[in-house]
Amino acid sequence: EAQVTQNPRYLITVTGKKLTVTCSQNMNHEYMSWYRQDPGLGLRQIYYSMNVEVTDKGDVPEGYKVSRKEKRNFPLILESPSPNQTSLYFCASSFKGQGAYEQYFGPGTRLTVT
Amino acid sequence: QKEVEQDPGPLSVPEGAIVSLNCTYSNSAFQYFMWYRQYSRKGPELLMYTYSSGNKEDGRFTAQVDKSSKYISLFIRDSQPSDSATYLCAMRRRGADGLTFGKGTHLIIQP
Repeated sequence: EAQVTQNPRYLITVTGKKLTVTCSQNMNHEYMSWYRQDPGLGLRQIYYSMNVEVTDKGDVPEGYKVSRKEKRNFPLILESPSPNQTSLYFCASSFKGQGAYEQYFGPGTRLTVT
Repeated sequence: QKEVEQDPGPLSVPEGAIVSLNCTYSNSAFQYFMWYRQYSRKGPELLMYTYSSGNKEDGRFTAQVDKSSKYISLFIRDSQPSDSATYLCAMRRRGADGLTFGKGTHLIIQP
C-alpha cells in the first residue's frame, strides 16, 4: 500500500530535550516536506527536500532541522524543543515536475512541549 | 495581503444542501489549483485538481477556477454527513514543487 508513515504519532516532551520525528514514504517520491498545523494559522511549511541531500527552508524553519540521506526518509529534528513548537506535524511527499500535483500526507504527529 | 485567503468557518448546512467553498489568491503565478479534504485527526487527502480556468466535475464535487478574478470554488451537491471535514485549497506555481495552502474551511453537514 502506497503510504507516508510518521512516528511517533503522539509525543509529550519537556523543553530542551532533543527529539526526532521520523517520516518514510514507499512511493519513490523525490519531493518531501514537513508542515506544522496550528489553529487559525493553517498548514505552514517548515522544510522541504527536492531529492537526496537537497533540503531547503520553508516558511517557518526556526528551531527545526532536517536531513535527507535516503530517498524514502525525511526525519524532522528538534534540537531544543520549546513550548511554541507544540503543534500537529505532517510529513508529505510527491513526485517532482509539472505533472506532479498530488502531495501525499502522513497521519500526523501531535507534539506537546511542556 | 496573504497569498491565499480562505474563510475558516465553521460552515454548517443541512444534509442534502449544496455547499460552496471558496478561496481567493493574490499571486497570478499560481497555475495549479487543488482542494484537499482533512478529517479530524487525519492528514489531508487530495480531492480535486484543476489546471486552467473553468469547471471540473467528479461525482458530487465540482471545482471551479476563475483566473481573471483570482477566485476558486468547490461545490458539493447532495451533501452528506460524511462530507463533514475541513477543506483546504492549495495552489502551486508553474515550475515550483511546493504548495501554498489556505487555512481551511471547517464544514459541518447536519443530519
